[in-house]
Amino acid sequence: GENVEQHPSTLSVQEGDSAVIKCTYSDSASNYFPWYKQELGKRPQLIIDIRSNVGEKKDQRIAVTLNKTAKHFSLHITETQPEDSAVYFCAASYTGTASKLTFGTGTRLQVTL
Amino acid sequence: SAVISQKPSRDICQRGTSLTIQCQVDSQVTMMFWYRQQPGQSLTLIATANQGSEATYESGFVIDKFPISRPNLTFSTLTVSNMSPEDSSIYLCSVGGLPRAIADTQYFGPGTRLTVL
Repeated sequence: GENVEQHPSTLSVQEGDSAVIKCTYSDSASNYFPWYKQELGKRPQLIIDIRSNVGEKKDQRIAVTLNKTAKHFSLHITETQPEDSAVYFCAASYTGTASKLTFGTGTRLQVTL
Repeated sequence: SAVISQKPSRDICQRGTSLTIQCQVDSQVTMMFWYRQQPGQSLTLIATANQGSEATYESGFVIDKFPISRPNLTFSTLTVSNMSPEDSSIYLCSVGGLPRAIADTQYFGPGTRLTVL
């Protein structure tokens, strides 16, 4: 089955700096890659996703890039703010498996003032 | 997205007992899933809840321990049976195939925090 690795496990940046979180996946058939943000005590919230037919997607300060050949995808957050502090999870799925998500291990992002 | 609710939001249970968690969506959805999130960990898929048929379980999860029902397109239950302290986790339902949304996209319920003593 699919295996998703995520790095780093923790990341501390100063407010205004950029943050990058990287994930690799094992199953070349995977074609959908969402990112979730989970604040303490809250549910995971979808913040951005990308499908295998595109290489990059951007939504304001958040962008995701996908390299299908290398089987890795990354989350980029620019101009970080304290409210960006949370745990971020990447995930991968293949439509043919009823869209079951396999999650990475998570990255705890701390944005300091 | 949709409004997804879970009941109970939290519970403290004695070992050996069972707890049934409910997940309700305010619109019909194609897919419903149940995940477990152990303290400080990532999310692990327990099973896919299939409407009108038996759930599809992931490796390491069995029906006797985690029976699941899905009687219609808006509701599902997960039972955690014969609980032990190792079952202490957050249990989350997720839904996919929302109206006017791309099928792959999944949204999560608020979760049920279970503590087993």
